[in-house]
Amino acid sequence: EDKVVQSPLSLVVHEGDTVTLNCSYEVTNFRSLLWYKQEKKAPTFLFMLTSSGIEKKSGRLSSILDKKELFSILNITATQTGDSAIYLCAANTGNQFYFGTGTSLTVIP
Amino acid sequence: GAGVSQSPSNKVTEKGKDVELRCDPISGHTALYWYRQSLGQGLEFLIYFQGNSAPDKSGLPSDRFSAERTGGSVSTLTIQRTQQEDSAVYLCASSPRGGGPYEQYFGPGTRLTVT
Repeated sequence: EDKVVQSPLSLVVHEGDTVTLNCSYEVTNFRSLLWYKQEKKAPTFLFMLTSSGIEKKSGRLSSILDKKELFSILNITATQTGDSAIYLCAANTGNQFYFGTGTSLTVIP
Repeated sequence: GAGVSQSPSNKVTEKGKDVELRCDPISGHTALYWYRQSLGQGLEFLIYFQGNSAPDKSGLPSDRFSAERTGGSVSTLTIQRTQQEDSAVYLCASSPRGGGPYEQYFGPGTRLTVT
C-alpha cells in the first residue's frame, strides 16, 4: 500500500527557533516529493524534489530528499509567527499524489 | 495570472440533499484533481482528469460521488444523497500536464457541512 508518513504530528516552538519536519514515503513508481504549506484551506506549494542530496532553498526554508532511505526533511530556520501552519508532504507517482497527514507547526512570539 | 478558483466557498446542506461543487483550473492546465480533507486529516485523493483521457476515479468513496470535466476545463464534483460523513473541505488542484513530476496548484476549497 502506498503511504506517506509525516512526523512529528505537531510542534510548538518559540520565534527564532529552528525546526526540522520529517516525511517518509513508500510508494511505487516514485517521481517526486513535494512540500506544501497550508494556513487556511488551500495548500501553497513550497518545494518539489526529484533528486537525492540536492538541497532546495527558499529564504529561511530548505528541503532535501534521500531516495535511498525514502525520506525528505523540511528545515525552517529563525522561525517567525507567520510560519505557523500545517506543512504537508506528498509523493508523486506520475498521476497520483499521496499526501501525509501533515505537521502542525505553531510558532509562539 | 488567475489561479484555481472554486465555488461555493462554503456550503451547508441537509442530509439527503445533492450538492455540486465547481472548480475552474488555471487556464491551459490539462490535469485536474479533486481531494477531500476532513478535520485533522491529510488530503484524500478522489478523482483525476488528464486532458481527454478517461478519468481516474479510483479514489471516489462511493457511487454517490461523481465528477465531470467539460471541455477539458471546468470541473464539477457532485455528491448525491449527502451524508454527515461527507462534511469536509473539498480541494481542487490543477497542473500543467499529467505524468509527473510536476507541481500542483490548489484552489481555496469548498467547505461542505452536512447537517
